[in-house]
Amino acid sequence: AQSVAQPEDQVNVAEGNPLTVKCTYSVSGNPYLFWYVQYPNRGLQFLLKYITGDNLVKGSYGFEAEFNKSQTSFHLKKPSALVSDSALYFCAVRDILLRGNDYKLSFGAGTTVTVRA
Amino acid sequence: NAGVTQTPKFRVLKTGQSMTLLCAQDMNHEYMYWYRQDPGMGLRLIHYSVGEGTTAKGEVPDGYNVSRLKKQNFLLGLESAAPSQTSVYFCASSYAQTGNQPQHFGDGTRLSIL
Repeated sequence: AQSVAQPEDQVNVAEGNPLTVKCTYSVSGNPYLFWYVQYPNRGLQFLLKYITGDNLVKGSYGFEAEFNKSQTSFHLKKPSALVSDSALYFCAVRDILLRGNDYKLSFGAGTTVTVRA
Repeated sequence: NAGVTQTPKFRVLKTGQSMTLLCAQDMNHEYMYWYRQDPGMGLRLIHYSVGEGTTAKGEVPDGYNVSRLKKQNFLLGLESAAPSQTSVYFCASSYAQTGNQPQHFGDGTRLSIL
């Protein structure tokens, strides 16, 4: 089985401050991990993914995420948040040992990020 | 470059009515998915398709049917709408490779069942 948890429903930061959105996962094997962002009345947009290799992954709009296998975490980070980063963020996981070729993802419940000016 | 297009964007139905949601993608993706998004629950997979002419059930398939007659289109049907099906529905597509490719999403259909 595969699952992902986003322990914070909301994250509030001031513009210019570092932003962290937490994600932990559970898989039987090794994970593929993804972060998506959703702006109001829009679909999910892909930010970045971890497949293998370097634990620090860089993505779109200045975001990065750190894969930590011992803590089963994949936290999303941005060194200096912008008001325009205010959105809903989703973490998703795929267990690469999962049988089948359907590539289903399991999504977290989402974290609402609010960046105040 | 349209990506994934969903129609309609909004719809209000009465209990018991039927309707079909259309998803079209122009990226030649093999895999397509239908999700529903409800507050605090993330995205839940309804049905998915791994290729033209094939469909399979996801986590929450009851009350929905799907068809994939053409590679670029994936239809989601509600035969007899219920208030519990009030939700935002998202279609997504992806390449059929090793499972490490991101899914591309449409902008959603907001459906209210009265």
